[in-house]
Amino acid sequence: SAVISQKPSRDICQRGTSLTIQCQVDSQVTMMFWYRQQPGQSLTLIATANQGSEATYESGFVIDKFPISRPNLTFSTLTVSNMSPEDSSIYLCSVAVTEEAFFGQGTRLTVV
Amino acid sequence: AQSVTQLDSQVPVFEEAPVELRCNYSSSVSVYLFWYVQYPNQGLQLLLKYLSGSTLVESINGFEAEFNKSQTSFHLRKPSVHISDTAEYFCAVRGGYNKLIFGAGTRLAVHP
Repeated sequence: SAVISQKPSRDICQRGTSLTIQCQVDSQVTMMFWYRQQPGQSLTLIATANQGSEATYESGFVIDKFPISRPNLTFSTLTVSNMSPEDSSIYLCSVAVTEEAFFGQGTRLTVV
Repeated sequence: AQSVTQLDSQVPVFEEAPVELRCNYSSSVSVYLFWYVQYPNQGLQLLLKYLSGSTLVESINGFEAEFNKSQTSFHLRKPSVHISDTAEYFCAVRGGYNKLIFGAGTRLAVHP
């Protein structure tokens, strides 16, 4: 299994600013995933972060808007840049251990 | 490409009644299927999973799901629901590189 610590748990931000979300895992993992859950919606994968290489972004998500760092096998950050109210969502970090995915508690972001 | 369809966005049911939450998938590779539950204002928790072997899988709290390859379905069932089962339920299929593709979710509302 894996225990994921994500912070902040929630934040209220002004439009035009940026927020960096941190994700710490209690074991070394090859891939870490960042998902977005917009209000009342399902989870959508933003990108996959591998240590030592650039993140792979899903269609509709770009590095300039959601830069990701992966400095080691237990840590990753996701930055939401130049925020607008449409970025108000829950952002979740996830890892896969064997065949199972584990999720952090999420970061509830409100942009005003 | 993999995809997941949850046919019901909301399912209202009375306490102690049976319930079925429907999920259909599309996958061109080996199928790994999951049901996740999200209680109000909480993170995502794995409810049960199908990886291989027996097509009927069970959770510790009385839910079960059956993998049906011919119908490409993985419906979730419980013979008698409790108020505490009120939550959002997400069906997911594992895609390439261990990422998860989620359905839109089904909101189960259990009424007394």
